[in-house]
Amino acid sequence: ETGVTQTPRHLVMGMTNKKSLKCEQHLGHNAMYWYKQSAKKPLELMFVYSLEERVENNSVPSRFSPECPNSSHLFLHLHTLQPEDSALYLCASSQEWTGFGYTFGSGTRLTVV
Amino acid sequence: EDQVTQSPEALRLQEGESSSLNCSYTVSGLRGLFWYRQDPGKGPEFLFTLYSAGEEKEKERLKATLTKKESFLHITAPKPEDSATYLCAVSGANNAGNMLTFGGGTRLMVKP
Repeated sequence: ETGVTQTPRHLVMGMTNKKSLKCEQHLGHNAMYWYKQSAKKPLELMFVYSLEERVENNSVPSRFSPECPNSSHLFLHLHTLQPEDSALYLCASSQEWTGFGYTFGSGTRLTVV
Repeated sequence: EDQVTQSPEALRLQEGESSSLNCSYTVSGLRGLFWYRQDPGKGPEFLFTLYSAGEEKEKERLKATLTKKESFLHITAPKPEDSATYLCAVSGANNAGNMLTFGGGTRLMVKP
């Protein structure tokens, strides 16, 4: 399988649940990203991992916890979320600076009830 | 802080009716300006990277141009399958690595 794969595609969770989003890239890239996409708002950068080290945490609430065990896998652990956290969560990868931009996954549509 | 503003927010065209989408940006030391296409329920798909003013890139019915303050995505004789949201993003010298700042997008609808 090639490209960037995100699972699950859809997730509905209660505010007291704990769940995880998974992202896997098969492109040999060394940087991975989590973005949040809400209706009527630009893509918001959440976390950046470069060479498996977190290099950016863009003032994200602690109820979101990223994990990057290796250069091919990225997780976003979720707990005690709020309804306003409902959004499309996109994972992307890139070679540190190639000028070719990111390769995005298809996203996880998260609904918090 | 890098900023990207796209206009219009939405654009309705008849099939074959050419038009342009605008991306205005403010960035300290432009490293690259990116255009993406996003279909509903999917992640953005890379279209073009532009590096310096005067540069142009083409792909099928799309042509991207760049000045020191803005970029245009020209769509020539669009077809219904060109309907999507088009996103513009910049990477500036102040950002570490390859972090991009995105605009809000232009939702394009092409009617047959």
